[in-house]
Amino acid sequence: GNSVTQMEGPVTLSEEAFLTINCTYTATGYPSLFWYVQYPGEGLQLLLKATKADDKGSNKGFEATYRKETTSFHLEKGSVQVSDSAVYFCALSDRATGRRALTFGSGTRLQVQP
Amino acid sequence: DTAVSQTPKYLVTQMGNDKSIKCEQNLGHDTMYWYKQDSKKFLKIMFSYNNKELIINETVPNRFSPKSPDKAHLNLHINSLELGDSAVYFCASSQDVGGMIYEQYFGPGTRLTVT
Repeated sequence: GNSVTQMEGPVTLSEEAFLTINCTYTATGYPSLFWYVQYPGEGLQLLLKATKADDKGSNKGFEATYRKETTSFHLEKGSVQVSDSAVYFCALSDRATGRRALTFGSGTRLQVQP
Repeated sequence: DTAVSQTPKYLVTQMGNDKSIKCEQNLGHDTMYWYKQDSKKFLKIMFSYNNKELIINETVPNRFSPKSPDKAHLNLHINSLELGDSAVYFCASSQDVGGMIYEQYFGPGTRLTVT
């Protein structure tokens, strides 16, 4: 079956530091990949997505590149802010399984200190 | 306008009670979901409906019963509540495009506390 593995948190950084949150996946077919963000007390919001190999998704200074050869979709940001503190979820959607739902990773908590 | 709304936002109740959570989406999507998020933030899908038809029914106690009266609404009824049911429950919706889900839109969550 499909699965998504994320690095364990929490990740604690100082403001303006570089962020990487690792995400790798296993999938039957050719999945679409997503990063969702959950701010404290809120639901999940789509942060960015990529639908085919070598696509780069980007939003709000965050980027992730769909790497089929390494089955990865790592999230990066060049300079984090305190307001980026949240839980980040990597997810995939794979038509090949016939499962019409996203498969989520376990989430990575990011704490940015001033 | 709120895209996916849930009521109530907080629910505190005693063991053994029966409660319902309601969800509505105004995005015109044809697929809706219920997720359970535990204290470690792990998200587990419980149910999914596509055009009012149940398409995902994960290993969930049969005390949990979803109902979709129409494409825009998905409710969750829980009988005989237990301490372990305490969690945040999220409703979500998406548009199914040829069996592929591209984006899910989440509601704000219902924090259920069973005492």
